[in-house]
Amino acid sequence: GENVEQHPSTLSVQEGDSAVIKCTYSDSASNYFPWYKQELGKRPQLIIDIRSNVGEKKDQRIAVTLNKTAKHFSLHITETQPEDSAVYFCAASTTGTASKLTFGTGTRLQVTL
Amino acid sequence: KAGVTQTPRYLIKTRGQQVTLSCSPISGHRSVSWYQQTPGQGLQFLFEYFSETQRNKGNFPGRFSGRQFSNSRSEMNVSTLELGDSALYLCASSFRRVDEQFFGPGTRLTVL
Repeated sequence: GENVEQHPSTLSVQEGDSAVIKCTYSDSASNYFPWYKQELGKRPQLIIDIRSNVGEKKDQRIAVTLNKTAKHFSLHITETQPEDSAVYFCAASTTGTASKLTFGTGTRLQVTL
Repeated sequence: KAGVTQTPRYLIKTRGQQVTLSCSPISGHRSVSWYQQTPGQGLQFLFEYFSETQRNKGNFPGRFSGRQFSNSRSEMNVSTLELGDSALYLCASSFRRVDEQFFGPGTRLTVL
């Protein structure tokens, strides 16, 4: 089955700096890659996703890149702010009718003042 | 639209008991997935239901079961609870496939 590895497990950056979180996946059939943000005590929230027919997607300060050949995708957060502090999860799946999301183990991002 | 809701939010049970958790998806969403979240294992997929049928199942023992009703609401049941079942149980709904899933707030289960 699918296996998703996520690095780093913790990341500390200063406010205003950029943060990058990387994930690799094992199933070459995977074609959907979402990123979730989970603040302490809250539910995971979908912040951005990318499908295998594009290489990059941006939404304000957040961007995701996908390299299908290398089977890895990354989340980029620019101009980080304290409210970006949270645990971020990547995930991968196919989009067939019997698909499931396989999650990475999470990255705890701390944005310091 | 109202978001995904889960009840109860907190549960305390003892070993050997059973528990039933409920999930109401976003209106119009027909796919409901369940996950177990623990500090050590992250988010682990339990199962996914669509139109009252289980379409996919994760690697959990048969003590974990679920069902979906005609209104898309879903329940999961854990029988013969073990200490290791203590976790946050999250459900997520999506329109038809597993992409663009939206999570509920979770049920925090503590097994003593």
